[in-house]
Amino acid sequence: EVQVLESGGRLVQPGGSLRLSCAASGFTFDKSVMSWVRQAPGKGLEWVSVISPSGRNTFYADSVQGRFTVSRDNSKNTLYMEMKSLRDEDMAVYYCVKGVEGRWLQLFDSWGQGTLVTVSS
Amino acid sequence: QSALTQPRSVSGSPGQSVTISCTGTSSDIGAYNYVSWYRQYPGKAPKLLIFDVNQRPSGVPDRFSGSKSGNTASLIIFGLQAEDEADYYCCSYAGTRTHVAFGGGTKVSVL
Repeated sequence: EVQVLESGGRLVQPGGSLRLSCAASGFTFDKSVMSWVRQAPGKGLEWVSVISPSGRNTFYADSVQGRFTVSRDNSKNTLYMEMKSLRDEDMAVYYCVKGVEGRWLQLFDSWGQGTLVTVSS
Repeated sequence: QSALTQPRSVSGSPGQSVTISCTGTSSDIGAYNYVSWYRQYPGKAPKLLIFDVNQRPSGVPDRFSGSKSGNTASLIIFGLQAEDEADYYCCSYAGTRTHVAFGGGTKVSVL
């Protein structure tokens, strides 16, 4: 069974930093594109970042470019996101999302339950 | 403001059909046959319903159907059931600059 489990979300002050993790199991992690998608309270979905199976290629939404860094450790089947200079508008549930082998950003196959990042002073 | 435009809400009676539209541009929906749809229950994670405009993952009932014409995609739910009451989001691949566009979501209510 495919499982992705996010962790690391918590209350952080504006300007602060945070690292999210996503533990994956039940599929061939090192062959899957992985993404982060977020959802602000009461709002819609927003794609945040993507990382290729090898980790060599990463891309970001303009709203987080230069502040967020996605990475992965294929030996640990784990996805990460380093978040810096956090803003009020970064407050959201962050979902770790699995792609499909051989596909890029055309579809988001399996979603974790999300981890809540609260940005507030 | 979301990149793709969806109606805020649609409703129907049990057994009826409802259609959710999703309007983009020639840079996303109009450019690629990579439209996907997701259903989200309150407090839960989204789930993939449709991909590549009209393909259903295994386990998704054939009551859910997707289509596309020009810059607009549509999700049709046939034979509406109480369990279909949820939020639905469209999504499109948007190329190497924007990458991904989501719609703002449509709340489906079963009367």
